[in-house]
Amino acid sequence: GEDVEQSLFLSVREGDSSVINCTYTDSSSTYLYWYKQEPGAGLQLLTYIFSNMDMKQDQRLTVLLNKKDKHLSLRIADTQTGDSAIYFCAERNGNQGGKLIFGQGTELSVKP
Amino acid sequence: NAGVTQTPKFRVLKTGQSMTLLCAQDMNHEYMYWYRQDPGMGLRLIHYSVGEGTTAKGEVPDGYNVSRLKKQNFLLGLESAAPSQTSVYFCASRGGAVEQFFGPGTRLTVL
Repeated sequence: GEDVEQSLFLSVREGDSSVINCTYTDSSSTYLYWYKQEPGAGLQLLTYIFSNMDMKQDQRLTVLLNKKDKHLSLRIADTQTGDSAIYFCAERNGNQGGKLIFGQGTELSVKP
Repeated sequence: NAGVTQTPKFRVLKTGQSMTLLCAQDMNHEYMYWYRQDPGMGLRLIHYSVGEGTTAKGEVPDGYNVSRLKKQNFLLGLESAAPSQTSVYFCASRGGAVEQFFGPGTRLTVL
């Protein structure tokens, strides 16, 4: 079946690195995504990785993909208080119009 | 471009009432989606559309209907609202291979 799991909470100090982890079950996923949701707002795409890649770096963000273990992680370097939000991992396969399967979301709290 | 917009932003209904949520996109995207978000859960797909005049069921379609009469609009209807439909509803659209663009959401409470 299709399932995406994330830990629910992460707390870090400002300036530290944050690592948010995600596991998924569908080995046919084509793209994997990280979305950010601030309180009362919609989802903003942070970054994505194609399934044939191992790593992608985009400024402070680093995505690592381990296809063998079906594990995805998002590292945020030099975490700031403005990074406090809920982060959703999502996978996309070819079913149902390319729907996204979302994890439960990880609430990141950044303390000054 | 306004991107993806949703109307209304908030709504309170009584059990048994009906309503329609409107999603509009100005990016000429073929694909449009309706998701619902419940506390402690990720978004789940209700219905989707792969082009004007087409609709299909997602993971949780019961109690909802949709229409895509115009390419830019995707309507989600609740014929007889139930408390279990209290949720935040997100519309999304996709034109290319990668990104789904999300609207700001509609917060619906059914009493």
